[in-house]
Amino acid sequence: GAVVSQHPSRVICKSGTSVKIECRSLDFQATTMFWYRQFPKQSLMLMATSNEGSKATYEQGVEKDKFLINHASLTLSTLTVTSAHPEDSSFYICSATQVGTGFNEQYFGPGTRLTVT
Amino acid sequence: DAKTTQPTSMDCAEGRAANLPCNHSTISGNEYVYWYRQIHSQGPQYIIHGLKNNETNEMASLIITEDRKSSTLILPHATLRDTAVYYCIVRFSGSARQLTFGSGTQLTVLP
Repeated sequence: GAVVSQHPSRVICKSGTSVKIECRSLDFQATTMFWYRQFPKQSLMLMATSNEGSKATYEQGVEKDKFLINHASLTLSTLTVTSAHPEDSSFYICSATQVGTGFNEQYFGPGTRLTVT
Repeated sequence: DAKTTQPTSMDCAEGRAANLPCNHSTISGNEYVYWYRQIHSQGPQYIIHGLKNNETNEMASLIITEDRKSSTLILPHATLRDTAVYYCIVRFSGSARQLTFGSGTQLTVLP
């Protein structure tokens, strides 16, 4: 089946620094990748939709200058949390949609646990 | 995408069938029913999806009522590793759209 990886799986950073999270589709090409955020005991909330070669579309309330998304190839999207604050501590999950399939199932990465101290 | 309603939590004995219900009374004719699950601190995992007919794969069976207003996900022989939050999602297929997650059902499989 389709595999999506994320790196790192866990990161701790100091307040004010930036953190980059990578999302890769390992065995398929993904024209669209999605970034979700999940706070403890809550459901996943969509942050942005990333299409290869174009600018990401952000959900209402998500600061595009704070959460920089780059989708430079059909297998890689990155999320950079700039000037991180403790309230950005969360579980970040990406998903990818496979090119050319009729149903566009989304395959999820294992998630990245970000802790900002 | 149509809204779904699921019970907050369910328990199931190990080895027994787990039946997880989902109501989607406002589903439209072109919307599919998808099921995903999320084991603690992991990314969601696709389970199964269907439009009208019942579906079965190696993980589960999906039973959709004739009026399509509700469905049931069946895990035929639940194991402890099936303990997870199960999400029922209704969405259109054929286009790359995000998944809208509700609160899901926390299934706990008991030994």
